[in-house]
Amino acid sequence: AQKITQTQPGMFVQEKEAVTLDCTYDTSDPSYGLFWYKQPSSGEMIFLIYQGSYDQQNATEGRYSLNFQKARKSANLVISASQLGDSAMYFCAMRPSNTGNQFYFGTGTSLTVIP
Amino acid sequence: GAVVSQHPSWVICKSGTSVKIECRSLDFQATTMFWYRQFPKQSLMLMATSNEGSKATYEQGVEKDKFLINHASLTLSTLTVTSAHPEDSSFYICSADRLAGAPRDYEQYFGPGTRLTVT
Repeated sequence: AQKITQTQPGMFVQEKEAVTLDCTYDTSDPSYGLFWYKQPSSGEMIFLIYQGSYDQQNATEGRYSLNFQKARKSANLVISASQLGDSAMYFCAMRPSNTGNQFYFGTGTSLTVIP
Repeated sequence: GAVVSQHPSWVICKSGTSVKIECRSLDFQATTMFWYRQFPKQSLMLMATSNEGSKATYEQGVEKDKFLINHASLTLSTLTVTSAHPEDSSFYICSADRLAGAPRDYEQYFGPGTRLTVT
């Protein structure tokens, strides 16, 4: 079975501080991709970062980095130097190779950046 | 970049009428498109997967006769909500896959969503 778990319904962070959003996953597929998306109040899904299951290094994209711990099946998102515009819902997603390209989404974490 | 559009961005309709939502990949060809539904403060729920030229594959619990999906070309998929009822009010999001072998073909590109309100 495929499963993505985000245990933090809501998080608060002070502006300019770093914050970690947790994500764990479960799959029996040896090949998969892990994604983080940001969804502001407008509703659009904004791609943030991608980590392949065979990638040796943790992915980074600007202020976003993915702390990939394969043995623990975790893929936490780290946002450095938080900005007010980072306030949004954040979804972790997994895409196993053998499931017809389907994405599995977590329940999301609502991040609020405090000035 | 790869852009996916949806039209309309929001729609209000009366109970019992049908509504069509279009999803277009603007600058790439999409062999597969996906339709999601999202209720307030909840995650995206996959409704169906559509492949160009073939019938859509619906997820368990999604009524295929109520949510008609047509993927007529490599750049267009449509979702028609037939005989809409207030409980169908939701945010509908489509996404598209690029052809295998294209840059970043691992990524799924999302449309901006359509907010449907049924009165």
